[in-house]
Amino acid sequence: GAGVSQSPSNKVTEKGKDVELRCDPISGHTALYWYRQSLGQGLEFLIYFQGNSAPDKSGLPSDRFSAERTGGSVSTLTIQRTQQEDSAVYLCASSLRGVGGNQPQHFGDGTRLSIL
Amino acid sequence: GENVEQHPSTLSVQEGDSAVIKCTYSDSASNYFPWYKQELGKGPQLIIDIRSNVGEKKDQRIAVTLNKTAKHFSLHITETQPEDSAVYFCAASPGSGTYKYIFGTGTRLKVLA
Repeated sequence: GAGVSQSPSNKVTEKGKDVELRCDPISGHTALYWYRQSLGQGLEFLIYFQGNSAPDKSGLPSDRFSAERTGGSVSTLTIQRTQQEDSAVYLCASSLRGVGGNQPQHFGDGTRLSIL
Repeated sequence: GENVEQHPSTLSVQEGDSAVIKCTYSDSASNYFPWYKQELGKGPQLIIDIRSNVGEKKDQRIAVTLNKTAKHFSLHITETQPEDSAVYFCAASPGSGTYKYIFGTGTRLKVLA
């Protein structure tokens, strides 16, 4: 079946512009996660959705970052007034359940964001 | 909070040899431990996982062992092949009441032909 799909795969933009990154989770997965991965580094948790709600936004680095999820499916991560330090790969993952499930998280291939 | 340490950061082995990557976690309530393989330009792919009620799990050339007393778990790859070259991440999920994975810092494995 289809895995987690992210778009665009690459995004180059100028400093100060806003960007939107999209994630299509695996069908039926109620939990969705965003992570950030800087070059050669590990995974930094950003936000967790259960359905359309985001009970944990603790990883969002600043108020320039926001995310939403609609219809319990597609999620969009928005970065406003981008800065060079925002350059990274943004990964989305989904799992069948979140809390109480200890379900495997399945990742997309990410969006590689470059801020000029 | 939970912390996961992963060693080594880089590992080179000859094709056909075995590779072992070790992770240590701090929260004794952790009960789920997945391993991910990340190839260049791709997202992490789940390759094997283990739950705390099991000491070892095998899937063909890959095995994971868990020592709950010592709070460490290891990934074993036997008969390594060049296509095993990638970055491997371990993770720990701190208990059934939470969703959050704590990831290790990754191991870059190179299999030399």
